[in-house]
Amino acid sequence: RKEVEQDPGPFNVPEGATVAFNCTYSNSASQSFFWYRQDCRKEPKLLMSVYSSGNEDGRFTAQLNRASQYISLLIRDSKLSDSATYLCVVTPPTNDYKLSFGAGTTVTVRA
Amino acid sequence: GAVVSQHPSRVICKSGTSVKIECRSLDFQATTMFWYRQFPKQSLMLMATSNEGSKATYEQGVEKDKFLINHASLTLSTLTVTSAHPEDSSFYICSAKPILTGPLDEQFFGPGTRLTVL
Repeated sequence: RKEVEQDPGPFNVPEGATVAFNCTYSNSASQSFFWYRQDCRKEPKLLMSVYSSGNEDGRFTAQLNRASQYISLLIRDSKLSDSATYLCVVTPPTNDYKLSFGAGTTVTVRA
Repeated sequence: GAVVSQHPSRVICKSGTSVKIECRSLDFQATTMFWYRQFPKQSLMLMATSNEGSKATYEQGVEKDKFLINHASLTLSTLTVTSAHPEDSSFYICSAKPILTGPLDEQFFGPGTRLTVL
């Protein structure tokens, strides 16, 4: 079983729509959780960390459900510039800063 | 923000040659750098952890004699793909963890090197 699994999508949404997707992780002792964004043929960039209580950063809301071992990302009022692949990232409990990446969920926002 | 560079950004080589990829942290020092590989439509897979002044730690299934890592200074790590073959064609990305990190313990990624082995 993969450490981090994501629905690859693609999610095709019109501008202004809300889109949400999840990621599941296999190690219940995982320590930290992040969403990264990766544009085509580019490096991943940190979008936001995910906290136990859930957190919001502008139009982006992240939730963590430790009991069910999933993380979610919701994007409100989608912009064309939100088109990208969103990577779910988890760190193991080993405290060695290693990152485990999901394969990504592709979002395409159309005009 | 913290900047990490990689060189070259793209390389095409013949099978059997060795390719060196450099990863530099431009405005911070990093005792730890990580090397990842990403095949099309797949996740980034950690290959190895590079520690300044000591041997790299390789993930299971990654051949250390095939992928030579040298972390010679606090701002430079190199990955050499020795005797490259077509199956080594991939997107290689490094990340660097600053010595002094903020609350997120963030790593900063280089722009990646696209290797094509003919």
